[in-house]
Amino acid sequence: GENVEQHPSTLSVQEGDSAVIKCTYSDSASNYFPWYKQELGKRPQLIIDIRSNVGEKKDQRIAVTLNKTAKHFSLHITETQPEDSAVYFCAATLADRGSTLGRLYFGRGTQLTVWP
Amino acid sequence: GAGVSQSPSNKVTEKGKDVELRCDPISGHTALYWYRQRLGQGLEFLIYFQGNSAPDKSGLPSDRFSAERTGESVSTLTIQRTQQEDSAVYLCASSLRQGGSYEQYFGPGTRLTVT
Repeated sequence: GENVEQHPSTLSVQEGDSAVIKCTYSDSASNYFPWYKQELGKRPQLIIDIRSNVGEKKDQRIAVTLNKTAKHFSLHITETQPEDSAVYFCAATLADRGSTLGRLYFGRGTQLTVWP
Repeated sequence: GAGVSQSPSNKVTEKGKDVELRCDPISGHTALYWYRQRLGQGLEFLIYFQGNSAPDKSGLPSDRFSAERTGESVSTLTIQRTQQEDSAVYLCASSLRQGGSYEQYFGPGTRLTVT
């Protein structure tokens, strides 16, 4: 099955700086890569996702890049704010067209701390 | 609309007892997932239901764990003869089948403590 590795496990940045979290995957068939944010004591929530037919996707201060050849994808957060502090999980799966996806393979998570 | 709900929110049980956790997915979501999250750890996949297909049970850690789903609605996760290492938050998630919508919506979780 798929294996997703995520780095770093912890990341501390100063408010206003950028943060980058990187993930690699093993199964070249995977074509859907979401990122989830989990604030302390809360449930994980999707913040951005990318499909294998694009190389980059942006949504305000967050962006995700995908390199299919190298089988890695990254989350970029610019102008970080204290409320960005959370655990971020990457994931990968093969999502069939017109059908719900199978299981997501999650990375182990990155604890991001943004210091004011 | 209503999101994914789980009950109970907290459960304290004695070692060796059986527990049953419930998940109510979003109406119309055919896919349902169970995950376990130990304190400070990642999301550990347990089981996945998709419509009437056979469930993917590959993540269940032992035969003490089982899960059922009634059609495309409620699911229950049962842990028999609980052990202290079963203490964790159990998260349920559901997702939609049509339209290429892939997002998994998580419930608030059940915090299980085995004493």
